[in-house]
Amino acid sequence: AQKVTQAQTEISVVEKEDVTLDCVYETRDTTYYLFWYKQPPSGELVFLIRRNSFDEQNEISGRYSWNFQKSTSSFNFTITASQVVDSAVYFCALSGRSTSGTYKYIFGTGTRLKVLA
Amino acid sequence: GAVVSQHPSRVICKSGTSVKIECRSLDFQATTMFWYRQFPKKSLMLMATSNEGSKATYEQGVEKDKFLINHASLTLSTLTVTSAHPEDSSFYICSASRGRGSETQYFGPGTRLLVL
Repeated sequence: AQKVTQAQTEISVVEKEDVTLDCVYETRDTTYYLFWYKQPPSGELVFLIRRNSFDEQNEISGRYSWNFQKSTSSFNFTITASQVVDSAVYFCALSGRSTSGTYKYIFGTGTRLKVLA
Repeated sequence: GAVVSQHPSRVICKSGTSVKIECRSLDFQATTMFWYRQFPKKSLMLMATSNEGSKATYEQGVEKDKFLINHASLTLSTLTVTSAHPEDSSFYICSASRGRGSETQYFGPGTRLLVL
């Protein structure tokens, strides 16, 4: 079975602090894809990153960075020097082939990040 | 870019009526579109997957006759909630991807449905 676990339900930090959002996944597929999305209060999911299972290089994009470790089945997301605008719910997702042969996302339950001024 | 729009953004309807929600990919051709439902402070629940020109594939527990999905073109999919009831009130989100495989899904802004 495929599963994504985001154990942190809600995190509160003070502006300028660094924060790491955890994501642990389970899959039997050898080829799979991992994603992070941001859902601000407006509701729209904003795509942040896509990573395939063969690429374990960490990635940095501005204040965002991602740490993919297959050995621990984790794909953690760090925001450096957090800002109030980072307040949102962040979802980690796993894309894998379903029993019907189609690909679909398995979402984690999300982590609500509150950045306080 | 990869922009997906949804219309309407909010809708209030009476119990027993039908509501149609449109999902459009504005700057790319979407071979596959997905419809999700999200309850307050919960994760997204996949309702169905639709490929252009073919019937939608519904997830277990989702009533096909109640949630009609049409993917008539590479840029448009519609979800019709038939004979809506108050329990159908929810946030409905569509997404679109360029291919049928592992491509990234791009999400629309969502539609808040309230059934009175």
